[in-house]
Amino acid sequence: EPEVTQTPSHQVTQMGQEVILRCVPISNHLYFYWYRQILGQKVEFLVSFYNNEISEKSEIFDDQFSVERPDGSNFTLKIRSTKLEDSAMYFCASSDLVAQPYEQYFGPGTRLTVT
Amino acid sequence: SQQGEEDPQALSIQEGENATMNCSYKTSINNLQWYRQNSGRGLVHLILIRSNEREKHSGRLRVTLDTSKKSSSLLITASRAADTASYFCATDRWGAQKLVFGQGTRLTINP
Repeated sequence: EPEVTQTPSHQVTQMGQEVILRCVPISNHLYFYWYRQILGQKVEFLVSFYNNEISEKSEIFDDQFSVERPDGSNFTLKIRSTKLEDSAMYFCASSDLVAQPYEQYFGPGTRLTVT
Repeated sequence: SQQGEEDPQALSIQEGENATMNCSYKTSINNLQWYRQNSGRGLVHLILIRSNEREKHSGRLRVTLDTSKKSSSLLITASRAADTASYFCATDRWGAQKLVFGQGTRLTINP
């Protein structure tokens, strides 16, 4: 069964460094998303992406964050200058709004630790 | 806000018993979905119920939706140790794709 994949599974970085989290969505999906989950808290929406542009973003998704679909398969989240509070599990998701509207399929997540 | 809130926060039952988790939300929704998360792992999609549906089944799962009370319940019948996980409800609204998650219910099935 097709699945969303994410790399790396765990990323440790120093405060102020840039990180890029990578995702490969399900191949025929058209909508892509990033969510994050701080330890012990609820999953929070960051951004949605469709047709090579951001379609919706949350207050969390400030100028330090950016997303890109550099080729036909990858979808990336970049954090330019990481802060301690960026430590969280970051989930990528994708959906096919034609066949299965609104069902989002999540990857296994990248655990980001900022020291 | 359109937050989903689950209760109970934690539930511990014996294997073979039924587990019921509830979710409430505050605004009008388009769909409500339930996800499972094993400790430290990703989110697994379980079931989606649309706002015009009242009940849906999938295997041992039964979901109900009461839009007048802005609430949903997830029933897992004949629970197994492998059902031990956190369960989250998530809602979306017309015209928006983002999911709004609740805090989740930690379910423990004791063998």
